[in-house]
Amino acid sequence: DVVLTQSPLSLPVTLGQPASVSCRSSERLVHSNGNIYLSWFQQRPGQSPRRLIYTVSDRDTGVPDRFSGSGSGTDFTLKISRVEAEDVGVYYCMQGTHWPPTFGQGTKLEIK
Amino acid sequence: QVQLVQSGAEVKKPGASVKVSCKASGYAFANYGVTWVRQAPGQGLERMGWISAYNGNTDYAQKFQGRVTMTTDTSTSTAYMELRSLRSDDTAIYYCARDVPVIAVAIFDYWGQGTLVTVSS
Repeated sequence: DVVLTQSPLSLPVTLGQPASVSCRSSERLVHSNGNIYLSWFQQRPGQSPRRLIYTVSDRDTGVPDRFSGSGSGTDFTLKISRVEAEDVGVYYCMQGTHWPPTFGQGTKLEIK
Repeated sequence: QVQLVQSGAEVKKPGASVKVSCKASGYAFANYGVTWVRQAPGQGLERMGWISAYNGNTDYAQKFQGRVTMTTDTSTSTAYMELRSLRSDDTAIYYCARDVPVIAVAIFDYWGQGTLVTVSS
């Protein structure tokens, strides 16, 4: 199975400052159809996971534009341009290119 | 709007079985699949397996092979996950997520609210 390694695992951030989470894959995530099925999920405390980003950089409906995704090959990044209090939670990357899909370990974002 | 509504919390004794339901609405259930994911207390997300509501095909994670059964009822747009021979380390929140109808690429675009299963003697 594809292994996704996230860093950092803990991310203390000051309100209004940017934040960045890295996700590195053990295999290239380019599908035979040319797409890269790398998604990011947010899990707020006590809530279900919510998909924020799919196919590397496409935002789901209703996701604020301060969230952005980028990357290629085996290295991917989730960026928050200005962290707000509601962004506290755990962020997971997930690859859907190679079956079975797999998740990263999660990165816990907290406010300093 | 797409919704996945799961059944309520369960408390089970070691060795028992649990069956969690996930009722879908707002989309054509039979055109998609359902993946089940669990999360132990304070831990990350663990994929348990997938079922196609389109053709009933399943793919279980090796860890759960022989102990889990996933089914769907297209007449009620409901997916089920049964886990048998429960142990204390099966205590977790169990989530369903909408997924693809055939083994291809995973999407997980909508999630249920989760069902807490507690295994305790």
